[in-house]
Amino acid sequence: NAGVTQTPKFRILKIGQSMTLQCTQDMNHNYMYWYRQDPGMGLKLIYYSVGAGITDKGEVPNGYNVSRSTTEDFPLRLELAAPSQTSVYFCAIQQGPYNEQFFGPGTRLTVL
Amino acid sequence: AQSVTQLGSHVSVSEGALVLLRCNYSSSVPPYLFWYVQYPNQGLQLLLKYTTGATLVKGINGFEAEFKKSETSFHLTKPSAHMSDAAEYFCAVDHAQIQGAQKLVFGQGTRLTINP
Repeated sequence: NAGVTQTPKFRILKIGQSMTLQCTQDMNHNYMYWYRQDPGMGLKLIYYSVGAGITDKGEVPNGYNVSRSTTEDFPLRLELAAPSQTSVYFCAIQQGPYNEQFFGPGTRLTVL
Repeated sequence: AQSVTQLGSHVSVSEGALVLLRCNYSSSVPPYLFWYVQYPNQGLQLLLKYTTGATLVKGINGFEAEFKKSETSFHLTKPSAHMSDAAEYFCAVDHAQIQGAQKLVFGQGTRLTINP
């Protein structure tokens, strides 16, 4: 998966719980992204980062937070989990401007 | 806002037959266009992309796509389907390039089934 590691692979949360989805890369790429994929749907961009210390919202940021303190890590935080956040979450990296995005294997999250 | 429409959530073809997956987009500016493939329980893999220049784009595994601005389309084709082509295919458009970041907007996907 192109040097992108996502943990955990699976997680079940109760409503109102919080958790952090981890994304780590060993490619030293500046650009990193978080997407969610709901059943039968395409991916939607949650947040992205163009480098350490720089993050910005995507299409569906509500209910999530991110940070980018290092080039390698781009964690996604859910503060108060809701059933609507049940999804598969993908992290992606991009080497340079306008280059191809490489996707991690995904984290399957269920909120009950 | 940009959007992507993939016609047909499920396409089934026979092995050796032509594969045609349809994608139309809406965009107020010249877009960057992409096709990704997703195999079960895996992340997405880029098949091909159009940025500028030649409108017929060739990708991996024998796939190609043609950008037709007048039709706002970017259909994906492969002359002869193989069993290994069975997967989910996503068309995507670059929403807005800010500082080189690609804010991709995806279609809902087309599941391709290959019949022996």
